[in-house]
Amino acid sequence: DAGVIQSPRHEVTEMGQEVTLRCKPISGHNSLFWYRQTMMRGLELLIYFNNNVPIDDSGMPEDRFSAKMPNASFSTLKIQPSEPRDSAVYFCASSLALGQRNQPQHFGDGTRLSIL
Amino acid sequence: ILNVEQSPQSLHVQEGDSTNFTCSFPSSNFYALHWYRWETAKSPEALFVMTLNGDEKKKGRISATLNTKEGYSYLYIKGSQPEDSATYLCAFPNQGGKLIFGQGTELSVKP
Repeated sequence: DAGVIQSPRHEVTEMGQEVTLRCKPISGHNSLFWYRQTMMRGLELLIYFNNNVPIDDSGMPEDRFSAKMPNASFSTLKIQPSEPRDSAVYFCASSLALGQRNQPQHFGDGTRLSIL
Repeated sequence: ILNVEQSPQSLHVQEGDSTNFTCSFPSSNFYALHWYRWETAKSPEALFVMTLNGDEKKKGRISATLNTKEGYSYLYIKGSQPEDSATYLCAFPNQGGKLIFGQGTELSVKP
């Protein structure tokens, strides 16, 4: 079975540019999570969705960040405009229904983002 | 505010040593406790999800125990190998299903 698929794997762009990260969750999984990994803060949850609906976006750092899940098989995380401090590895994860807290999260390989 | 704590922060052992580390979590409103393994430059990988007090789970040389009444879980690695080197994270799901992660224990196994 295909796991969580993220694209691109690496992104290098200049400050001020718009960045779009993409995620395809595991088929049949109803919950999707976006995380950011930095040296300073470790693994931070940015936002999560259940049945395509955003449940908690309190981890989104600021208005420059937005996330959408237009359907059950696709989500995007957008940064506009990007800044050097956004440089990090961004992970997407999915799991079976959010209410089933005994279900593990399955992580994608991550997108390594560098903003110059 | 839910607090999940792991100790030690880091551990250096020799190949062949057995090791264990601890995850502490709130004992009230317990539903499950997750363990993940995170190798450098890779993504976190689920090891175990534990739900029952006294539960013990095993995957190869790695096992975990759970005490929900006192709020702790132990992860054991028997006969550590260099490929076990990783950060081991535990996580506690809150009522809404959001995982509250500990800071992790970074394990380094020297050949």
